[in-house]
Amino acid sequence: QSGLTQPPSASGSPGQSVTISCTGTSSDIGAYNYVSWYQQHPGKAPKLMLYEVNKRPSGVPDRFSGSKSGNTASLTVSGLQAEDEADYYCSSYAGSKNVIFGGGTKLTVL
Amino acid sequence: EVQLVESGGGLVQPGGSLRLSCSVSGFTFSRHYMSWVRQAPGKGLEWVAKIRPDGSAKSYVDSVKGRFTISRDNAKNSLYLQMSSLRVEDTAIYYCAKEEYYRYDYWGQGTLVSVSS
Repeated sequence: QSGLTQPPSASGSPGQSVTISCTGTSSDIGAYNYVSWYQQHPGKAPKLMLYEVNKRPSGVPDRFSGSKSGNTASLTVSGLQAEDEADYYCSSYAGSKNVIFGGGTKLTVL
Repeated sequence: EVQLVESGGGLVQPGGSLRLSCSVSGFTFSRHYMSWVRQAPGKGLEWVAKIRPDGSAKSYVDSVKGRFTISRDNAKNSLYLQMSSLRVEDTAIYYCAKEEYYRYDYWGQGTLVSVSS
């Protein structure tokens, strides 16, 4: 049950767009459309931002979007705002009722 | 308003036991899968255990199999995690989370478990 691979950091200036990748295998991201993304501010619980690759829960701004190609999923944050600075984690269903997570990406708004 | 409130964390010696609880409100608890997800200090998220709405099926990450037991009491809207034979590497914040089709749409605030001698 290896984890998904994310870059440790990403950054962008206010108003810009930034994309965070999440790489898995043909047994997880490549096999299922159950990819989710979570935002976590310091000292807080994670918050669901996207699910099933590109669906947004109620209340999540449409600045957040997702996509998937092969074994890699991506989160794009457009029109960066200061409050977007946080850690972001991807997850995927990996079969046998298990969910695996990426190691997390620290997004810095410059 | 959906609320999940964990309790039961604390400092325990290696080899010891601890029981975490999660009290839930704001949704029909008995209809939903529930999970425990943990986060070691400064590290990423790790799914730990999951339980079916009626409690009839449970699954665990390999590293806790045989040591942790997830359970629920639907009459009390409560989720539990019994942890035994605790190891230093089990040190983490433990979150309970409501699960929908392999996504966690609501999380508690977490409870810290520290395993140290």
